[in-house]
Amino acid sequence: DVKVTQSSRYLVKRTGEKVFLECVQDMDHENMFWYRQDPGLGLRLIYFSYDVKMKEKGDIPEGYSVSREKKERFSLILESASTNQTSMYLCASSVQGAGNQPQHFGDGTRLSIL
Amino acid sequence: QQQVKQSPQSLIVQKGGISIINCAYENTAFDYFPWYQQFPGKGPALLIAIRPDVSEKKEGRFTISFNKSAKQFSLHIMDSQPGDSATYFCAASMDQAGTALIFGKGTTLSVSS
Repeated sequence: DVKVTQSSRYLVKRTGEKVFLECVQDMDHENMFWYRQDPGLGLRLIYFSYDVKMKEKGDIPEGYSVSREKKERFSLILESASTNQTSMYLCASSVQGAGNQPQHFGDGTRLSIL
Repeated sequence: QQQVKQSPQSLIVQKGGISIINCAYENTAFDYFPWYQQFPGKGPALLIAIRPDVSEKKEGRFTISFNKSAKQFSLHIMDSQPGDSATYFCAASMDQAGTALIFGKGTTLSVSS
């Protein structure tokens, strides 16, 4: 079974801090994704990566960056956290190919910025 | 053009009833339409998916109906059970490398016993 592990279930940080959210998958998937989930707004794509060191902006990349140095790990970075980045963050992975591959999600990190 | 519009936002159904969630899209290049199910405290998980060459796909109590001309698709849950209470997301994507799923905003389903 595919396992996508997010390093923290809950995280509390202060405004202005640099925040790292880590995601690891164990199925050798080429594609990895970061979403944020907010009530009434659904899942919004922040960034995705289809190969090591490759990244593509999603719908809401502002205020975020990503890093993919190894195939199994995809990190989301909040350069200077702000209160409007308080949200649930979900990581996902899928096999290489077209956009029609099933995505496997982690259980999320609930991030609070105070 | 990239949006997927999902309705209703929330739905309450009695046990044994039929739950229906609808989605509409604009981009005719979309050719993969999955539904994801999310329980509280968990990430979404793929429930069922359809491609536009068929009008219906059934897996157990879950059925996707697809209307290509209307650019709409829907999820039907027959004999709804309290264990089906979850948030459901429709999505769409193109058969093109390097593309990502476009998700609807989700429907919170509550099945009352």
